[in-house]
Amino acid sequence: AQSVAQPEDQVNVAEGNPLTVKCTYSVSGNPYLFWYVQYPNRGLQFLLKYITGDNLVKGSYGFEAEFNKSQTSFHLKKPSALVSDSALYFCAVRDFIYGNTGKLIFGQGTTLQVKP
Amino acid sequence: DGGITQSPKYLFRKEGQNVTLSCEQNLNHDAMYWYRQDPGQGLRLIYYSQIVNDFQKGDIAEGYSVSREKKESFPLTVTSAQKNPTAFYLCAIGAGGGKNIQYFGAGTRLSVL
Repeated sequence: AQSVAQPEDQVNVAEGNPLTVKCTYSVSGNPYLFWYVQYPNRGLQFLLKYITGDNLVKGSYGFEAEFNKSQTSFHLKKPSALVSDSALYFCAVRDFIYGNTGKLIFGQGTTLQVKP
Repeated sequence: DGGITQSPKYLFRKEGQNVTLSCEQNLNHDAMYWYRQDPGQGLRLIYYSQIVNDFQKGDIAEGYSVSREKKESFPLTVTSAQKNPTAFYLCAIGAGGGKNIQYFGAGTRLSVL
């Protein structure tokens, strides 16, 4: 079965420090991977995606993610965290089990708390 | 959220009542999706539609129904058969194809009175 795991419910970092939000996946075939961010009582906002090519993907708001095929991981990173980065982050993988429907499988989410 | 309108923002359901959540888009995208979000469980797919007059069940379709009579609109009805409807409901659109990004509306929070 295809799945996504975010092993940390919450990540705490100090402002200015680097941050990492972890994601691992299990799919058959090549993965299409996505990161989204959600602020309270809002919809999800797209941050970045990996389809193919360079393993380091750059996205919105200074975020980047590193695709590691051997470790089946797609960790979200940022060199210097801001208090305004505090939010709920979701990793997702495209589900191709039933063909090209565009369906996404989401991890359970990781709350990022950046303290001043 | 721009281009995707979900309404209402908050909705209250009485026991035995059906309620309908609206999702409208003006981005001319073919695919539309409904997700349910519960704390600590991520998003789970309820229904999706890739084309007008066609839709498929997602992972948790029981107690829900949808229609896709127009490309712009994909309303979700939470029926009385859904015994635990309290959740945050998110509508998303996609241009179709596996590589394309899904864009989300602002959501509707449904509570039971």
